[in-house]
Amino acid sequence: AQTVTQSQPEMSVQEAETVTLSCTYDTSESDYYLFWYKQPPSRQMILVIRQEAYKQQNATENRFSVNFQKAAKSFSLKISDSQLGDAAMYFCAYRSYGNKLVFGAGTILRVKS
Amino acid sequence: KAGVTQTPRYLIKTRGQQVTLSCSPISGHRSVSWYQQTPGQGLQFLFEYFSETQRNKGNFPGRFSGRQFSNSRSEMNVSTLELGDSALYLCASSLAPSGRVGTDTQYFGPGTRLTVL
Repeated sequence: AQTVTQSQPEMSVQEAETVTLSCTYDTSESDYYLFWYKQPPSRQMILVIRQEAYKQQNATENRFSVNFQKAAKSFSLKISDSQLGDAAMYFCAYRSYGNKLVFGAGTILRVKS
Repeated sequence: KAGVTQTPRYLIKTRGQQVTLSCSPISGHRSVSWYQQTPGQGLQFLFEYFSETQRNKGNFPGRFSGRQFSNSRSEMNVSTLELGDSALYLCASSLAPSGRVGTDTQYFGPGTRLTVL
C-alpha cells in the first residue's frame, strides 16, 4: 500500500524568510500525482501545488515551489518570502491512477512576525 | 464559480443515532470523494463517486455509506453512531475520477464537524 510520510510535525519560520517542508512516499507505481494542500484554522483544505510524476520539471506556483526527486521518492515544498497568512497545517498527498488520495500526517507551519 | 459546499457545517448527535451529510460539488465536476479527519487517525478516505457509481471505497465499516445523484450532488450516511465517529468530514470534487490526467485534481469543501455525544 502506498504511504506518505511527513517527518516534521511542526516547523517555524520568520516572516519574509524561506522554509522547506519535507515529504517522502512509498509506491511501486511509476505514474502518479503528488500534491501539497494547506489547511488553515478555518479547516478549509486548499490546494497549493501539484506535480505529475512523469514531469521532470519541478512545479511552481508564485512563492511556492517543490523539489521532486522521483528516484528518492521525495517531494518537498519550499515557501519563499513567508507571510503570516501561510501559517497552517500542510499536507502532502499522493494519488496513483484510479486510486484514492493518500495523505501524510501533516506539518504545522508557524510564521513569526 | 462557486466552490464545494457542504451542509450542515456543524452537527451534534448522540450514540446510536444516524446522520446524513450533504455535498454539492463545483459546477461541472462529476466526481465526489469523502474523507474523515480526526486528530488521531488524520485524513482517511471514505469513498469516491462518479456518475452515480461508487468507484473506490476506504476501509470503513458498513455503517458508513454514500450515494451520488444525477446532478452530481452526494450524500454520506452514518448509521448507529459511535463516539469514535466524531470527526470533520470533508468532501472533495473533481472534474473526473482518479486517473484522468489533469482533470482529477480534488477541490475541498469546508467540511462538516460531527460531534457524537
